[in-house]
Amino acid sequence: GAVVSQHPSRVICKSGTSVKIECRSLDFQATTMFWYRQFPKQSLMLMATSNEGSKATYEQGVEKDKFLINHASLTLSTLTVTSAHPEDSSFYICSARRGGGEKQYFGPGTRLTVT
Amino acid sequence: GESVGLHLPTLSVQEGDNSIINCAYSNSASDYFIWYKQESGKGPQFIIDIRSNMDKRQGQRVTVLLNKTVKHLSLQIAATQPGDSAVYFCAIPPGNQFYFGTGTSLTVIP
Repeated sequence: GAVVSQHPSRVICKSGTSVKIECRSLDFQATTMFWYRQFPKQSLMLMATSNEGSKATYEQGVEKDKFLINHASLTLSTLTVTSAHPEDSSFYICSARRGGGEKQYFGPGTRLTVT
Repeated sequence: GESVGLHLPTLSVQEGDNSIINCAYSNSASDYFIWYKQESGKGPQFIIDIRSNMDKRQGQRVTVLLNKTVKHLSLQIAATQPGDSAVYFCAIPPGNQFYFGTGTSLTVIP
């Protein structure tokens, strides 16, 4: 149990366009989902925390108008990278946490390349 | 903020040997610790966790040791196999957030 999926796994887009990444908890209800960003050979950096039905909490330095997060249901959160630029190219990983739990279950990641 | 780090960025071990991966943290109030494994191009995978009321916890081929006095955490992998090659992170969740260490890249030499 505790499987998290992400879609798409890879996406290439042109500079200036927007990209949406989906994160789903497949076999449990996730009251909280997290979005991370990871550059090559670096650690995961938390971008934002989202609770179902409320606004996401963004980490310092993360532009909330650029990285739109929606957590409309207990099994789905989306991250939209708006007006993407080459510097937004990265590996985006989501995780989900059950209500009351401490463990985070991670998705497989989405590789975004902006050309 | 929380400071989490790993002692060695890379570690190479011979197949069949034991591996030890270390992690240091700064917040003495931390009470829950998790080790994750991340293979190339994939998301982190939960390995084992430990609470601060324990010094040691064993899983299948893995053991986590916690030394609260020196704020040090280690992951031991017995009889390391090629499939263990990955980056290993310790994560410490203060509340909602996870702070990940910089990771140790483990390479298993056949």
